[in-house]
Order: sequence, then C-alpha cells, then structure tokens
Amino acid sequence: QVQLVQSGAEVKKPGSSVKVSCKASGVSFSNYTISWVRQAPGQGLEWMGGIIPIFGSANYAQKFQGRVTITADESTTTGYMELSGLRSEDTAMYYCARSLFWKAMDVWGQGTTVTVSS
Amino acid sequence: EIVMTQTPLSLSVTPGQPASISCKSSQSLLHSDGKTYLYWYLQKPGQPPQLLIYEVSNRFSGVPDRFSGSGSGTDFTLKVSRVEAEDVGVYYCMQSIQLPITFGQGTRLEIK
Repeated sequence: QVQLVQSGAEVKKPGSSVKVSCKASGVSFSNYTISWVRQAPGQGLEWMGGIIPIFGSANYAQKFQGRVTITADESTTTGYMELSGLRSEDTAMYYCARSLFWKAMDVWGQGTTVTVSS
Repeated sequence: EIVMTQTPLSLSVTPGQPASISCKSSQSLLHSDGKTYLYWYLQKPGQPPQLLIYEVSNRFSGVPDRFSGSGSGTDFTLKVSRVEAEDVGVYYCMQSIQLPITFGQGTRLEIK
C-alpha cells in the first residue's frame, strides 16, 4: 500500500527551526518528486518547494527562499522539510505529497501541525 | 508566477443537482509536449487534499464518473453531475506547467 507518513505535531518558539519528515512506504521514491505544501488555519494550499531525490537539488517558492531547506534520504525513503526563523504566521498544517516530476500530486501525507507560539 | 483564480468561492447545492467550478490561469497551461498541466483536488474536512482530475480531464483512479473536467489554455471547469453528501469540502485547481506550483483560492461546496 502506497503511503507517505509524516512526523508528529510540533510546538516551536518564534525564531527557532522545525524539521518535518515524510517517510515513503510501498511506493517508489527516488524517481518521484516530493513536494511540501502548507495550509494556514482556515486558508488555502501553498506550495513551498520540492525535490526529486535522484537529482538531489530542490526547488523553492520565492516566498520561502532562504528559510526553507528540503532534502531527501534515498536510503531511508524519507523526505525532510526544515523551516527556520519561525514566526507566528508559520503556524500551519504542513503536507508532503508525491508526484511524477512536477505533475499530479497523487499521494499525500497525513499532515503535520506546526504551532509557533511564545 | 501563474495566478489561478477560482469562481465561485462557495457553492451550496441540493443533493442530486449539478455543480460547476471555474478556474482561470493568468498564463496558458498548454505545454510544448501537448499536455495541459491543470489539476483538480478535493480537500474533505480534516483530510489532506485528494487528486480528482489530472491534465484537465482525466479522472484519477477511483474517482466517480460524476466528476468531469474540461477546458483549455487558460479557462477550465470542474463539473459534478449529481452532487452527493460525500462531495462536501473545498475544491482546488492547481497548475504545474511552471514553478512555483500554484493553487486557486479554493471553492467550498456545501450541501443544502
């Protein structure tokens, strides 16, 4: 069964960093793109960036450039998204999703809630 | 970046009646490979988004045939022929012809 399983909820202080993981099981990993999409409370979907593990380099949305780092470990079929300089506006649900290159995101993780609060 | 604009932003539909959502992109989504990179997702309450339609009009595996997509270039439509209670949620269009990938604002569908 194809699954992306994300790490658990996080509560962080402003200015700190968070690293969310996304483990793929029952699904080919290296040839696919892992994207990260976030959703602030009551808001829409926002693509943050993504990585194709076999290529290694990530692409980021301009808005997050310099604050987000997306990586992937092929040996453990796990993707990671690290967001630094956290502020209250980063409080959101963060999803990973799989696609073939930059096409349809057909498998999604269950989401990870990140709360930024002093 | 490509801006995706959905209308309406909310929809209230009687079960068994049709529903239609429009999505317009600020640039053509037709790629030189002949494919159009426009997708539709449904996010049911408390769940991650799920893929409904890929490349304008192709239903994803397991999606009921009451869902259909159409359009070309910059204008696209998602239609639900007969709305059922389980279709409640927020519908998003998405483009991936150009990075950054962008989504429409979402259309909330509720049942009357």
